Amino acid sequence: NAGVTQTPKFQVLKTGQSMTLQCAQDMNHNSMYWYRQDPGMGLRLIYYSASEGTTDKGEVPNGYNVSRLNKREFSLRLESAAPSQTSVYFCASSEFEGSNQPQHFGDGTRLSIL
Amino acid sequence: RKEVEQDPGPFNVPEGATVAFNCTYSNSASQSFFWYRQDCRKEPKLLMSVYSSGNEDGRFTAQLNRASQYISLLIRDSKLSDSATYLCVASGFHTGNQFYFGTGTSLTVIP
Repeated sequence: NAGVTQTPKFQVLKTGQSMTLQCAQDMNHNSMYWYRQDPGMGLRLIYYSASEGTTDKGEVPNGYNVSRLNKREFSLRLESAAPSQTSVYFCASSEFEGSNQPQHFGDGTRLSIL
Repeated sequence: RKEVEQDPGPFNVPEGATVAFNCTYSNSASQSFFWYRQDCRKEPKLLMSVYSSGNEDGRFTAQLNRASQYISLLIRDSKLSDSATYLCVASGFHTGNQFYFGTGTSLTVIP
């Protein structure tokens, strides 16, 4: 069972470079999420997609864009990377959007911006 | 004030011990609660949902106290494999159904 798959696993960028983090799920889930996790801050929501064709901002959206390519795939783009975006990024999915819907996570992308 | 707060620990307990973590949430409108487990440098994994009546899954028991706005996780007969960070989550309509995660409580079970 693949579940939620993220690529790449690790990436080092220079300030100002751009890149796209990829996420795909094979659980036929409707809702997908992008989080970042920083020491002492916990997981914070960047963007989410309640269903195919919709995206919404989370708690910390600045500096990011997202695309819900289809039901399976949800990508996160950094247009001009900054050192403050050094973090571990997790993609998650849930069957539906809803406060009672548990979310299932991919194994993360470790991103360093120099 | 943070939506969810946890004692970061670390909690160091011997094998076989019982350990309990509390997590407080700031908004009384929160409706749904979860406990996740996160191993070092791994993804969070759902441990259990927390229901109003409390729920148990093997050695793990979760409780919700709405009056005092906290959830708890009790681990009985601790195993070495229970060593991890435990994250609590609160969510509700007031957050747009977004999950708010605590920063986690670190547990180390010692042989």
